[in-house]
Amino acid sequence: GQQLNQSPQSMFIQEGEDVSMNCTSSSIFNTWLWYKQDPGEGPVLLIALYKAGELTSNGRLTAQFGITRKDSFLNISASIPSDVGIYFCAGLGNTDKLIFGTGTRLQVFP
Amino acid sequence: DAGVTQSPTHLIKTRGQQVTLRCSPKSGHDTVSWYQQALGQGPQFIFQYYEEEERQRGNFPDRFSGHQFPNYSSELNVNALLLGDSALYLCASSFLDRDYYGYTFGSGTRLTVV
Repeated sequence: GQQLNQSPQSMFIQEGEDVSMNCTSSSIFNTWLWYKQDPGEGPVLLIALYKAGELTSNGRLTAQFGITRKDSFLNISASIPSDVGIYFCAGLGNTDKLIFGTGTRLQVFP
Repeated sequence: DAGVTQSPTHLIKTRGQQVTLRCSPKSGHDTVSWYQQALGQGPQFIFQYYEEEERQRGNFPDRFSGHQFPNYSSELNVNALLLGDSALYLCASSFLDRDYYGYTFGSGTRLTVV
């Protein structure tokens, strides 16, 4: 099935560092969403982006909807141990089918 | 307020068998979507139900079928199980008006086919 290209695949960082990850698609999307998934749990929505060029923050998280509508990035500032998990981007076109990225696994060391 | 609940949490089945997974949406939500998440991959859309009918379907064979009940709960059925059907099956509920801050996932059912 279709999946979005997400990079990096994994990150190992020290507590307090900033993190940046991105997601690209060959298709245009109308909505970009970023989720975090902890082991044994379902994805939890972090940020939703509805307009090309939109920059949205949620606490230490900032995400942007690319101008081309084919990409998005997520930044996490001043990482803490509870940021550990797998981060997924997801795009939504003209249907209700969410297309997910391949995921970025984040590990934070104290 | 209970979120999305899925049952069972874990399941082991033999190739060729049939399985039924269940989902109760978050209170007030009317739409249920099912996703398959293979190990190390992102979730893949299977299908979506609204008003007891399938609205959208992903690229999954007819062995995958579903149902939505008048109380909005839903079932996912998989027939003739294959080893490749082993995955985490996620249910997500929402309002049809696509309020994505209300798009809530359950914790999933881990299906292992042996």
